[in-house]
Amino acid sequence: GEDVEQSLFLSVREGDSSVINCTYTDSSSTYLYWYKQEPGAGLQLLTYIFSNMDMKQDQRLTVLLNKKDKHLSLRIADTQTGDSAIYFCAEKMGGGNKLTFGTGTQLKVEL
Amino acid sequence: GAVVSQHPSRVICKSGTSVKIECRSLDFQATTMFWYRQFPKKSLMLMATSNEGSKATYEQGVEKDKFLINHASLTLSTLTVTSAHPEDSSFYICSVSGGILSDTQYFGPGTRLTVL
Repeated sequence: GEDVEQSLFLSVREGDSSVINCTYTDSSSTYLYWYKQEPGAGLQLLTYIFSNMDMKQDQRLTVLLNKKDKHLSLRIADTQTGDSAIYFCAEKMGGGNKLTFGTGTQLKVEL
Repeated sequence: GAVVSQHPSRVICKSGTSVKIECRSLDFQATTMFWYRQFPKKSLMLMATSNEGSKATYEQGVEKDKFLINHASLTLSTLTVTSAHPEDSSFYICSVSGGILSDTQYFGPGTRLTVL
C-alpha cells in the first residue's frame, strides 16, 4: 500500500500554535482526514478536506493541502492541554472507501 | 457524525478460547463497517471491510478463519477472534460509513483484548 508519513512527536507550550505535518504518496487521493486519538480511546474525526481544496478552516483548526508536494498539515491555534493526543492523517483513494492512515504524531502540550 | 459503540471495552481471556467483539452504530444505518487492529504506539491496520448482508473482504495477511466477521444488520457488526493466542492481544477498533456519511468513517471507542 501507499505510505503516509508523519513526524512522531511534537511538543508545544500552551497557547502556542501547533503544526502537524503529513506526507502521502498517492496522487489519486480524493479526501484527506485528520483524526485525534486520546489514550485508550478510539479515533475522533477532527476535520477533512477534499482534494480540490487548498485550505479549510474550522474554528481553531486549519488544514492546508499542497497537492503538488503531496503534503497535508493541521494547524491548531491556541493549543490547550486538552489537545494532547495522537493525531493521525489519513487518505482515501479514488474509487474506494478504504483509508490509509499515517504513522501518527504524538502532541504534547506543556504549561 | 455517527455515534459508534463497542462491547466489551476490555476483555481478558485464556489462550485457545474465542472472543466476540460487538460494534454498534447507534444513530446511523451503516452500510459499511470496518475492523482495524492497533498495536501499542502504532498506526491502525485495516483487517477487513464488511458490507451489510455480504461476506467481509479481508486484507492481505489477515486470516478470515481466525477473525470471523458478521455484519448482519445496518447497526451491528461482530468480530470473533477464534482460538485466541497471546499474539492476538491488541486494540481492536471498528468504524462505520455509508449513506450521506460515505465520505467519512466514524470510529468506535475500541476494545482492548489481552490473551493470557
